[in-house]
Amino acid sequence: EDQVTQSPEALRLQEGESSSLNCSYTVSGLRGLFWYRQDPGKGPEFLFTLYSAGEEKEKERLKATLTKKESFLHITAPKPEDSATYLCAVHLSTGPQGGKLIFGQGTELSVKP
Amino acid sequence: EAGVTQFPSHSVIEKGQTVTLRCDPISGHDNLYWYRRVMGKEIKFLLHFVKESKQDESGMPNNRFLAERTGGTYSTLKVQPAELEDSGVYFCASSLHYAEAFFGQGTRLTVV
Repeated sequence: EDQVTQSPEALRLQEGESSSLNCSYTVSGLRGLFWYRQDPGKGPEFLFTLYSAGEEKEKERLKATLTKKESFLHITAPKPEDSATYLCAVHLSTGPQGGKLIFGQGTELSVKP
Repeated sequence: EAGVTQFPSHSVIEKGQTVTLRCDPISGHDNLYWYRRVMGKEIKFLLHFVKESKQDESGMPNNRFLAERTGGTYSTLKVQPAELEDSGVYFCASSLHYAEAFFGQGTRLTVV
């Protein structure tokens, strides 16, 4: 069964304290891995797409990496405005034109000043 | 450029009533998806349109849910009759080809 697991469920950091979030997956037909950020009361906001093992992408204080079984979202010197729920999702192929996202439960990040 | 827009943002209905959710995708996006998050669970796929055609509706819970996409533009998701377990946040997303999906703000549905 296709599955995406994120850890930890919640993470509290002090401002400037770097850390990493994990997303492990067991899926067939992987088309890509996505990271989203979600603020309370809003929809997921796209951050990154990773397509192949070894790929890395960066945006401001965030860096996403991908291996064959997991992805990491590294947060360097976080600020309070980085507080949000971070969602990992794998994009599965369901046919010639089909595709869907399988989400993990998310990591709720809180950064204190 | 306008993003994905969903209406209403909140809806409270009684068990047995009908509710219709609407999604306006980003202009030009052929792919439109519906997802749902129930309390304490992860976001789950409901169905996928390519233009006006249903490409995959494997995630639809049961036949009380009906999704349509008129002319390949906006989409509606009707729940009839609503049950308590239908409560949750319903998200719509759209994408170009197989690129990243952009999500709307969601409709919070509460069935009492």
